[in-house]
Amino acid sequence: SQTIHQWPATLVQPVGSPLSLECTVEGTSNPNLYWYRQAAGRGLQLLFYSVGIGQISSEVPQNLSASRPQDRQFILSSKKLLLSDSGFYLCAWSVADRTNEKLFFGSGTQLSVL
Amino acid sequence: AQSVAQPEDQVNVAEGNPLTVKCTYSVSGNPYLFWYVQYPNRGLQFLLKYITGDNLVKGSYGFEAEFNKSQTSFHLKKPSALVSDSALYFCAVRGNTNAGKSTFGDGTTLTVKP
Repeated sequence: SQTIHQWPATLVQPVGSPLSLECTVEGTSNPNLYWYRQAAGRGLQLLFYSVGIGQISSEVPQNLSASRPQDRQFILSSKKLLLSDSGFYLCAWSVADRTNEKLFFGSGTQLSVL
Repeated sequence: AQSVAQPEDQVNVAEGNPLTVKCTYSVSGNPYLFWYVQYPNRGLQFLLKYITGDNLVKGSYGFEAEFNKSQTSFHLKKPSALVSDSALYFCAVRGNTNAGKSTFGDGTTLTVKP
């Protein structure tokens, strides 16, 4: 069966520090991968999505970047965190080339920038 | 552009009573509609989806949803609520595009009281 791992679960970082959040998927090949941010426990905002290694699409301009160095690994990064980067970050995957497929979400990372 | 509206921030029901969580959508072409549930500090979990076919869709944990094309609605329902159903519920819509480019509603907090 497929599983998605996301870590760390919580992170407290000072303003201006770097960020690296990692997400890995097991049990499937060539998944579509996504990073979402959820503010204040409400709606989700799609940040990045990837349909293959090295292929990253950014949905909103921001202080963050994403990379996909391996087929089932997706990394969210920042060189210098801002206060506004605080939030709950969710990684997700879906089956590629299947337009009606649901999303599978990781357990999330609560990021607090102080 | 696609959009989702969940008009109620909060829904309160007594255990054993039926529940409805409302969702309306806007999308070009045929909609793909999803419901997800989120428990505190966790990722979202898929409940059910409508792609085509029968307008009444049955999903996990006894939930069902009814697709109404004329009213562009996809309300989530359950005949008899449980205290354990208390959570944050998200409706999502997507047109015929990559699964992750779904638009999520702002969420509805369901509280079931014993």
